[in-house]
Amino acid sequence: KNQVEQSPQSLIILEGKNCTLQCNYTVSPFSNLRWYKQDTGRGPVSLTIMTFSENTKSNGRYTATLDADTKQSSLHITASQLSDSASYICVVSAKSNYQLIWGAGTKLIIKP
Amino acid sequence: DTEVTQTPKHLVMGMTNKKSLKCEQHMGHRAMYWYKQKAKKPPELMFVYSYEKLSINESVPSRFSPECPNSSLLNLHLHALQPEDSALYLCASSQGQGRGELFFGEGSRLTVL
Repeated sequence: KNQVEQSPQSLIILEGKNCTLQCNYTVSPFSNLRWYKQDTGRGPVSLTIMTFSENTKSNGRYTATLDADTKQSSLHITASQLSDSASYICVVSAKSNYQLIWGAGTKLIIKP
Repeated sequence: DTEVTQTPKHLVMGMTNKKSLKCEQHMGHRAMYWYKQKAKKPPELMFVYSYEKLSINESVPSRFSPECPNSSLLNLHLHALQPEDSALYLCASSQGQGRGELFFGEGSRLTVL
């Protein structure tokens, strides 16, 4: 069964600190993996899209990694800011039918 | 212009009302999507339009009726909804179905009384 699991479910860190969010998936055949940031009550915003051949992709202070062998991805946030408080959702696209399988998300809270 | 515009931002309706949610994009995208999102849950796919034709209907009740009048517009017609249909309804678009980045609108917050 195609699944995407994220950990932790929630995370609280102090402003200025770094953090890493995890995503494990069992989607096959794999097309790409996406990370979205979603502020409460607003639409998700794309952070990165990674294909099978990409190991690392950065978008400002956000760096995503992908290990297609172990079917794991991580999202590293550097020097966190209060505006980083949001839910971060990992989404994997299945190659067969372009279906997007969504993880449950990690709720990140940055405290001053 | 990399925006997906949704109207209205908020909608309150009774169970006997008929209303519509609207979505517009001018990025030349040929795939448009409707998602439903309940609190603290990820978005759930409802419908996909590809080249203005309904491509995917995720067994959505008929009280939700999508319409794609042209390549830039996507509507969701609502009729005889239930209180449990209250949610954030998100529209999204991409270059093609399953291709390219998915751009989301800000959503329409629907409350059914």
